[in-house]
Amino acid sequence: SSELTQDPAVSVALGQTVRITCQGDSLRRYYATWYQQKPGQAPVLAIYGENNRPSWIPDRISGSRSGNTASLTITGARAEDEADYYCNSRDSSGNHLVFGGGTKVTVL
Amino acid sequence: EVQLVESGGGLVQPGGSLRLSCAASGFTFSNYWMTWVRRAPGEGLQWVANIKQDGIGKYYADSVKGRFTISRDNAKESLSLQMNSLRAEDTAVYYCARAPGADESTRTTELDYWGQGTLVTVSS
Repeated sequence: SSELTQDPAVSVALGQTVRITCQGDSLRRYYATWYQQKPGQAPVLAIYGENNRPSWIPDRISGSRSGNTASLTITGARAEDEADYYCNSRDSSGNHLVFGGGTKVTVL
Repeated sequence: EVQLVESGGGLVQPGGSLRLSCAASGFTFSNYWMTWVRRAPGEGLQWVANIKQDGIGKYYADSVKGRFTISRDNAKESLSLQMNSLRAEDTAVYYCARAPGADESTRTTELDYWGQGTLVTVSS
């Protein structure tokens, strides 16, 4: 299967921890990548590879993987973490990219 | 500083054509895979097409195959997307992105830099 499944929405209290997941068969072979997209803005790379963060992503955001599931964790959520989060990987051919449906994270 | 700037979006009638461009700067364009991704109103991100460094390797989502053509000009550091036979469901913001993660030889999948996007509206 080339599909990636994400929960549509989650909420987290300010300062608490939230984990969002991405499931798909292709994640057994390829790393998931995570993107953060805020309203009216372009997506930005958040997590890639084993658990790599670009310089613009704070260290309270981290990634992990197990089997066919990749996870993004926000530890000590802040208001600015409120956004849509998307995972992507590749399909079984390896040539096509696929995206999960996205998870809307609300910080209460 | 890596910069990607899209242009060419606009309003087009169903069945019409449009050509999007993406001007790249701040990195060696010819060293990277590039990609187009779109986001329709109220929907999530959808991959559209990839192109290899040499401009020969090209891959398309099933929804656009045969209608869209991705191309690049390494001398001008420019990426393009020719869109023909446009449909209402092609209405979206189109983003170009640098795509080191599109390389089939790697296990990573990242699109590390994105442009701000250009809006395409297909409507009569």
